[in-house]
Amino acid sequence: DAKTTQPPSMDCAEGRAANLPCNHSTISGNEYVYWYRQIHSQGPQYIIHGLKNNETNEMASLIITEDRKSSTLILPHATLRDTAVYYCIVRVDPGNFNKFYFGSGTKLNVKP
Amino acid sequence: DAGITQSPRHKVTETGTPVTLRCHQTENHRYMYWYRQDPGHGLRLIHYSYGVKDTDKGEVSDGYSVSRSKTEDFLLTLESATSSQTSVYFCGTGLGSSPLHFGNGTRLTVT
Repeated sequence: DAKTTQPPSMDCAEGRAANLPCNHSTISGNEYVYWYRQIHSQGPQYIIHGLKNNETNEMASLIITEDRKSSTLILPHATLRDTAVYYCIVRVDPGNFNKFYFGSGTKLNVKP
Repeated sequence: DAGITQSPRHKVTETGTPVTLRCHQTENHRYMYWYRQDPGHGLRLIHYSYGVKDTDKGEVSDGYSVSRSKTEDFLLTLESATSSQTSVYFCGTGLGSSPLHFGNGTRLTVT
């Protein structure tokens, strides 16, 4: 089973920041937090990942709490095209195998 | 993304028939994965491969088998399709600790 907990849905006004929370209270010290999103019925799209430090790329920012038990994905200026299901994933990595376990995600609705 | 092509994109088949789905990648990624996605669920891992002829089971592997005879191809076979295997199937590829990239899926309907 997935080791993360996310709210099932959230709304955000277009142009505003979208802050998507994720709890991963049982995360281990060497496990990364990954975020993906899925638009309509397309394949999941990688957004960002991090271990303990905050990360930023051209799509989003990832804020990880100091105890690493939760994180927040921030879309700084949400657009209608950001409407999607967002998945927070803790990477389970036995050996070199990069298995990802997805939960049910958060449906983000960006409204005009 | 990452040169991943899934085929067919859509398939309707009858209960009891064998079905093979193909995932083809052009990025020479070592790791390949098959997931299924059902309404109300995220993606669930069926099988994965960590090299040619090296495969292992995921969390929902019953009723499925896989084969990887070449780096670029990962086949998922339903030996005898059942209605419970109606789903959208996604293939993913990756390199070691890098993020996975996914194909656009195969929608399978078993009648």
